[in-house]
Amino acid sequence: AQSVSQHNHHVILSEAASLELGCNYSYGGTVNLFWYVQYPGQHLQLLLKYFSGDPLVKGIKGFEAEFIKSKFSFNLRKPSVQWSDTAEYFCAATGGATNKLIFGTGTLLAVQP
Amino acid sequence: KAGVTQTPRYLIKTRGQQVTLSCSPISGHRSVSWYQQTPGQGLQFLFEYFSETQRNKGNFPGRFSGRQFSNSRSEMNVSTLELGDSALYLCASSASGSRSYEQYFGPGTRLTVT
Repeated sequence: AQSVSQHNHHVILSEAASLELGCNYSYGGTVNLFWYVQYPGQHLQLLLKYFSGDPLVKGIKGFEAEFIKSKFSFNLRKPSVQWSDTAEYFCAATGGATNKLIFGTGTLLAVQP
Repeated sequence: KAGVTQTPRYLIKTRGQQVTLSCSPISGHRSVSWYQQTPGQGLQFLFEYFSETQRNKGNFPGRFSGRQFSNSRSEMNVSTLELGDSALYLCASSASGSRSYEQYFGPGTRLTVT
């Protein structure tokens, strides 16, 4: 069955710390991978996406993610977090030509000033 | 470009009633998907419409239905509401054609069933 798992449910960091959020997927065939962010009181926003090509993708607000096919992973990174990065982060995947997004359970990030 | 809009933003209904939620996609987007977000189950796919046809369906009972109009606007309907249907219902649109595209989400409709 298709699935996406996020192992970190709740992460607390101090400002300027580095961030890495884990995401693993289980999919047969072609997979497209996404990271979405949900700031408090706001709607889901696309951070970055991977369809093919360079496995290191850069997104908005200094975030990046690396697709490692051999590990079925798509981890999100940011070298230095800010208080404004406090939000819930969702990893998601679609397969092939479908738009059916399978989401991970989300990671709640709290950045302390 | 205007983003995805959803109406109403908040709804309170009673068990047994039915409800209709509306979604207007980003201009030019022809694919509309619906998701349910709850604290317990997270984000779950309901269905996707493309060119007025349901293209994908998630694992929800038949009480959940939807449709898409020729202008790509979409509605979803939940009949015989249950307490467990209380959730944030999200609509997402994409420029989907023959392949998957990124989806852009609306603010959601918060449904409370009492």
